[in-house]
Amino acid sequence: GAGVSQSPRYKVAKRGQDVALRCDPISGHVSLFWYQQALGQGPEFLTYFQNEAQLDKSGLPSDRFFAERPEGSVSTLKIQRTQQEDSAVYLCASSYNRGPFTEAFFGQGTRLTVV
Amino acid sequence: DQQVKQNSPSLSVQEGRISILNCDYTNSMFDYFLWYKKYPAEGPTFLISISSIKDKNEDGRFTVFLNKSAKHLSLHIVPSQPGDSAVYFCAASAAYSGYALNFGKGTSLLVTP
Repeated sequence: GAGVSQSPRYKVAKRGQDVALRCDPISGHVSLFWYQQALGQGPEFLTYFQNEAQLDKSGLPSDRFFAERPEGSVSTLKIQRTQQEDSAVYLCASSYNRGPFTEAFFGQGTRLTVV
Repeated sequence: DQQVKQNSPSLSVQEGRISILNCDYTNSMFDYFLWYKKYPAEGPTFLISISSIKDKNEDGRFTVFLNKSAKHLSLHIVPSQPGDSAVYFCAASAAYSGYALNFGKGTSLLVTP
């Protein structure tokens, strides 16, 4: 597609359930980012991939969060044993390269609600 | 700790007038600043950016000003149009952190006819 695609758009999970969120970046984009946006807050950085390599995961809030991009294209953010504080919009962004002058394109996000 | 701050949660401006959105930051290592615009149920879209070596960047109706000594930047929209109504996020990045974006909480702009 022409833009970054995320699925599902909405996900309701029971507390303790595992969830997987998918991101299809723009074709050819080397860099892929995941952000978490809580209600009333700005997006907060979670993790970064350059191709299939996860170069920065400093923003992942706990070891329940795991991200992968095995073939350097589609990425999955997995959250194990979801908790209510995980409720947020999860945004994926991709860019052709990484650096200050490279625009990152965002997907529409996945709104996760943990009940 | 919030390194990028947008202290005005909302702003209302009449169509045709100037909109000024403000942003402050605390990390002196930031060297690249961006503004993103977000409509409801959509992801943020890039609007305009500025490098720390500049103090002004202009793109059509949008101008970003950077005051490094005050650690302050602002986005000017002139003239404002109803279609500009959206949430605007200020973001900053630094080479040492691989240019991961640090976002403010956003300012909701409403442009009234």
